[in-house]
Amino acid sequence: GENVEQHPSTLSVQEGDSAVIKCTYSDSASNYFPWYKQELGKRPQLIIDIRSNVGEKKDQRIAVTLNKTAKHFSLHITETQPEDSAVYFCAPKPENTGFQKLVFGTGTRLLVSP
Amino acid sequence: NAGVTQTPKFQVLKTGQSMTLQCAQDMNHEYMSWYRQDPGMGLRLIHYSVGAGITDQGEVPNGYNVSRSTTEDFPLRLLSAAPSQTSVYFCASSYSAGRMNTEAFFGQGTRLTVV
Repeated sequence: GENVEQHPSTLSVQEGDSAVIKCTYSDSASNYFPWYKQELGKRPQLIIDIRSNVGEKKDQRIAVTLNKTAKHFSLHITETQPEDSAVYFCAPKPENTGFQKLVFGTGTRLLVSP
Repeated sequence: NAGVTQTPKFQVLKTGQSMTLQCAQDMNHEYMSWYRQDPGMGLRLIHYSVGAGITDQGEVPNGYNVSRSTTEDFPLRLLSAAPSQTSVYFCASSYSAGRMNTEAFFGQGTRLTVV
């Protein structure tokens, strides 16, 4: 099965700084790489995803970069704001015959201080 | 569009009691799953279903049962609650896009305490 690790486990930044969270996976067949954001007391929600035929994807202040050779992908948040404070999870997954079993990383708690 | 709805939001059980956590989705998604979330351990898969009448075990299935009689509903049953089952439970659903993976939509969660 897929082994997923996230680093760091906790990240504290000042408002306006950039934040980078790295996700390392073990299954070389993985080719779908989503990031979920979970605010305190709320449900996880997808914020950005990338497929293996693309090396980088950007959506306003967030971006995801992929290194398939090294089996890791990273979430980049620029110009951080207090509302970015949350726990972020990665969930890399191979394409398969259709069913979905997401294996989540243990999460990274991001704290953005004003 | 309600999305994924879980009930109840909070529950306290005594050890040995049974209960069912309800999950319903109105997006006609084939895939549904249950996760538990414990501090420092992320989200761990309990059971999942790829369609009505089909279920399978995830990473931590012991102590839980599921069934999927309709596309919309995927209840999670605790037959004899134990303190180790104190956790936040999330139901999630997603749709088929051929062989492509798609976004998982989560319910709002059920916070369960077993005393």
